[in-house]
Amino acid sequence: IAGITQAPTSQILAAGRRMTLRCTQDMRHNAMYWYRQDLGLGLRLIHYSNTAGTTGKGEVPDGYSVSRANTDDFPLTLASAVPSQTSVYFCASSPEGGNTEAFFGQGTRLTVV
Amino acid sequence: AQSVTQLGSHVSVSEGALVLLRCNYSSSVPPYLFWYVQYPNQGLQLLLKYTTGATLVKGINGFEAEFKKSETSFHLTKPSAHMSDAAEYFCAVSEFNDYKLSFGAGTTVTVRA
Repeated sequence: IAGITQAPTSQILAAGRRMTLRCTQDMRHNAMYWYRQDLGLGLRLIHYSNTAGTTGKGEVPDGYSVSRANTDDFPLTLASAVPSQTSVYFCASSPEGGNTEAFFGQGTRLTVV
Repeated sequence: AQSVTQLGSHVSVSEGALVLLRCNYSSSVPPYLFWYVQYPNQGLQLLLKYTTGATLVKGINGFEAEFKKSETSFHLTKPSAHMSDAAEYFCAVSEFNDYKLSFGAGTTVTVRA
């Protein structure tokens, strides 16, 4: 089934540890996004990529990095996790951004202790 | 830059009653507007979108929304609520040639039997 796959589905992480959240799509979409969802704040954009080889900062990029080596994969890395990064993380993709629909993964629930 | 305000973090309706979820946006250029729905422990899925043309947009599951430029609004309605409509609803905005999709804080809908 075509779509977006995120891994892991959940993780408990010690503060200070490095963690990479994985995201893969098989729809050949150009645009990919990482959001975090926190109660009362909705979804906030962390980083995005318009196409393979390019990335951009969203609303809350500090403490996170991304790469886009190819069309399908868009990993999100926390270099040194802190408790405020406890959240549910969603990866999404869209054909071209702008007026096109975004498709979401099932999310990764991350707890930093 | 664009932003979205959803009025009311929680709405409770009786089964069969009207559902009305309010969304106001700010945008420096004509926007693209979306409503997404999130069921428990799932990712988001598109309900409907406005890009250009007809200002009354029909979506899935009997929902519709009307783009009112003069009021900078994109309110979501459904004439008769079903128990299956219980979920969280997000309004989102993007702009032409801008890959960033900005979300509101979300409105949780509860349907009473």
